[in-house]
Amino acid sequence: GQNIDQPTEMTATEGAIVQINCTYQTSGFNGLFWYQQHAGEAPTFLSYNVLDGLEEKGRFSSFLSRSKGYSYLLLKELQMKDSASYLCAVIQTRAGRRALTFGSGTRLQVQP
Amino acid sequence: GAGVSQSPSNKVTEKGKDVELRCDPISGHTALYWYRQSLGQGLEFLIYFQGNSAPDKSGLPSDRFSAERTGGSVSTLTIQRTQQEDSAVYLCASSLRTSGEETQYFGPGTRLLVL
Repeated sequence: GQNIDQPTEMTATEGAIVQINCTYQTSGFNGLFWYQQHAGEAPTFLSYNVLDGLEEKGRFSSFLSRSKGYSYLLLKELQMKDSASYLCAVIQTRAGRRALTFGSGTRLQVQP
Repeated sequence: GAGVSQSPSNKVTEKGKDVELRCDPISGHTALYWYRQSLGQGLEFLIYFQGNSAPDKSGLPSDRFSAERTGGSVSTLTIQRTQQEDSAVYLCASSLRTSGEETQYFGPGTRLLVL
């Protein structure tokens, strides 16, 4: 089976830093994605981690620890437009097939 | 370049009617996924097509749901005898299968409302 846990909601202030955590329990782990989804829109790709460590892309960074089943998305210098849902998704391989399972998402509200 | 397209963008139907939702993936992408997202909820996997392999239908909620992918490109998701609980946004995504990253690119979705 597979379980992905993220906080349901978070609030942060414009200009600040926020960390969104994701924990998972899975077998056949093959990578973890973070997606951003603005209200009423489709998800868009943010990052992909398959090895332990930190991947940095501008204001966004993503970290993975496979031994702990843990990832986080770090958003720096928050802007109002960062208000969105952030979805953690895990790739799992079972019986030779790859499956991508999404968490329920974390709704981030950035306040002035 | 062209992204994933879906049609219709919105669909209102009456309970008991059948609906067809269409997805045009990015050209050259061999993998295609259908998801469902209810208001304020996460993505629910429905079905996955990869090349000529048999599709992974493990996420389909009932036998009223079916999907086809013709010629390895366009896909149609069909919901028969729609129920009010089928109301959701239906998202399609495609990816280019490589040995590593498999970023999924999403279409804009079809918003289905069953009255």
